[in-house]
Amino acid sequence: EVQLVESGGGLVQPGGSLRLSCAASGFTFSSYWMYWVRQAPGKGLEWVATIKNDGGEKYYVDSVKGRFTISRDNAKNSLYLQMNSLRAEDTALYYCACVPRGAPFDYWGQGTLVTVSS
Amino acid sequence: DVVMTQSPLSLPVTLGQPASISCRSSQSLVHSDGNTYLNWFQQRPGQSPRRLIYKVSNRDSGVPDRFSGSGSGTDFTLKISRVETEDVGVYYCMQATHWPWTFGQGTKVEIK
Repeated sequence: EVQLVESGGGLVQPGGSLRLSCAASGFTFSSYWMYWVRQAPGKGLEWVATIKNDGGEKYYVDSVKGRFTISRDNAKNSLYLQMNSLRAEDTALYYCACVPRGAPFDYWGQGTLVTVSS
Repeated sequence: DVVMTQSPLSLPVTLGQPASISCRSSQSLVHSDGNTYLNWFQQRPGQSPRRLIYKVSNRDSGVPDRFSGSGSGTDFTLKISRVETEDVGVYYCMQATHWPWTFGQGTKVEIK
């Protein structure tokens, strides 16, 4: 059974940092690009960051560039999102996902909630 | 960034009747590799998103054949041939051709 399990969310003050983790199992993690997607409370979906299967390419939405860093450890089947200089507008449910552009499947976690507030 | 515009944003439908959602992109979604990376996602209440359609018209594994996607260039459509209760939720189009990938605003499908 495929599983993506996020952790690391919580309440943090503006300007603070958090590191999200995503533990993958049930599929060949090292073969796929991975993604972080977020959803602010009551709002739509927003793609945040992407990392190539070997970690050699990374892409970010403009609003998080320079503040967030996506990384992975294929030996541990894990995906990470280091979030620094957090802002209120980063408050959201953060999903870890595997969404191959050309294959007929996708995998999503249940999300981890990040709340940025003083 | 590519702007994805969906319509309508709210879609009340009668059970068993068809439904259609439109998605328009601010620029062509044809990739340099010749593919058009336009996806459709469903998000049921309280659940994680799930992709229904990839590359405009290809159904993901396990997706009922009442869901179909069509379109080209900048104009795309998701159709549900006969709406069922389990189809209630929010539907998003998303382009994966140009970085950053972008989603439409979402269309809320509800039963009349």
